[in-house]
Amino acid sequence: DAGITQSPRHKVTETGTPVTLRCHQTENHRYMYWYRQDPGHGLRLIHYSYGVKDTDKGEVSDGYSVSRSKTEDFLLTLESATSSQTSVYFCAISTTGIGNTIYFGEGSWLTVV
Amino acid sequence: TQLLEQSPQFLSIQEGENLTVYCNSSSVFSSLQWYRQEPGEGPVLLVTVVTGGEVKKLKRLTFQFGDARKDSSLHITAAQPGDTGLYLCAGVFTGNQFYFGTGTSLTVIP
Repeated sequence: DAGITQSPRHKVTETGTPVTLRCHQTENHRYMYWYRQDPGHGLRLIHYSYGVKDTDKGEVSDGYSVSRSKTEDFLLTLESATSSQTSVYFCAISTTGIGNTIYFGEGSWLTVV
Repeated sequence: TQLLEQSPQFLSIQEGENLTVYCNSSSVFSSLQWYRQEPGEGPVLLVTVVTGGEVKKLKRLTFQFGDARKDSSLHITAAQPGDTGLYLCAGVFTGNQFYFGTGTSLTVIP
């Protein structure tokens, strides 16, 4: 158990509405990530953070923004949800140093109708 | 272009059979991880390998990191229905950038 909690776990929203997914960690890790997973595409990095207020884009960042005001919380916001953003979203943390490893939360299922 | 290629993409075998899943790249990784993911859940770490040529065993699962640290394999002996799931490999170059393969979907038929 990597101490990662995602909320909400399931959400249905309408096209054009804003959506925020929350990731909370209990183990004070510096690095946090948001991925989306879709059939045929595997896990794709949306954004990641390497410290409070330090974030960077991943390979599929268009339409998404993130914020990290505290070490333990990493928020993913869809400013105006589209049907192409229907997906399962995973938050993750990673350890640092030799053999650094990434650990995932249980996922947030988002459906945009 | 996929940095990490996994093969096979799909695998369906009978209970008791052996199988091997491969994770290949043209790049050298500082470490590599294997995960198993079941439907409706997040990927769960199975193992991390760091040293070229390293072999790790986890019950019926054997993981090997290639000598050149560009590839890895996962071998399952006497597969059981509980082994069913999506197997993912992930490689790290430097820092904390993780690159994932597209996965191998394994079904073990009782």
